[in-house]
Amino acid sequence: AQSVTQPDIHITVSEGASLELRCNYSYGATPYLFWYVQSPGQGLQLLLKYFSGDTLVQGIKGFEAEFKRSQSSFNLRKPSVHWSDAAEYFCAVGATDSWGKLQFGAGTQVVVTP
Amino acid sequence: GAVVSQHPSWVICKSGTSVKIECRSLDFQATTMFWYRQFPKQSLMLMATSNEGSKATYEQGVEKDKFLINHASLTLSTLTVTSAHPEDSSFYICSAHPAGLYNEQFFGPGTRLTVL
Repeated sequence: AQSVTQPDIHITVSEGASLELRCNYSYGATPYLFWYVQSPGQGLQLLLKYFSGDTLVQGIKGFEAEFKRSQSSFNLRKPSVHWSDAAEYFCAVGATDSWGKLQFGAGTQVVVTP
Repeated sequence: GAVVSQHPSWVICKSGTSVKIECRSLDFQATTMFWYRQFPKQSLMLMATSNEGSKATYEQGVEKDKFLINHASLTLSTLTVTSAHPEDSSFYICSAHPAGLYNEQFFGPGTRLTVL
């Protein structure tokens, strides 16, 4: 069975600074990997996903993530955060034979300070 | 496009009553819908997979008689929490997989259930 670990429960970052959110997964084969953002009152929004191919994935809102098989990681990055990036971020993994059944990490709460 | 709605957005009920939560795909047909549960400050846990016209598939540990799921049409799935108790209080989120679209699902805004 797959599992996902987000080591950082809470991150505070200054507006304009760079942001990196960590995600480690456990899965026997190459999984499907996702990053979602959850804002209060809003549904989870997909930032980006990785299925195969180029290990550096570009997403919406200026986010990118890099799949590193050797480290079983799929870290999310943004070069310069905006106040509107304050939200909860979830990494998720889906098995290739049942991709829709996602296993979510615990989430990382991002706070953006002026 | 690809909007999923949930109704109600929040509900408070008395212990022992049943509550129905609707999940609708507004602008696409969803062959499959998923129901998740999220506890405060915790992650989403998949409860069940709902396929249109067939019985839902429940994850291990989820009581199918307590959480009744009906996927009667390609745009609507319902989750009924029967004989609700305070421990059922949670945030329930659905997602919908568009027909013909591989590896994509869209999430609803969630329903906050509080059982007194």
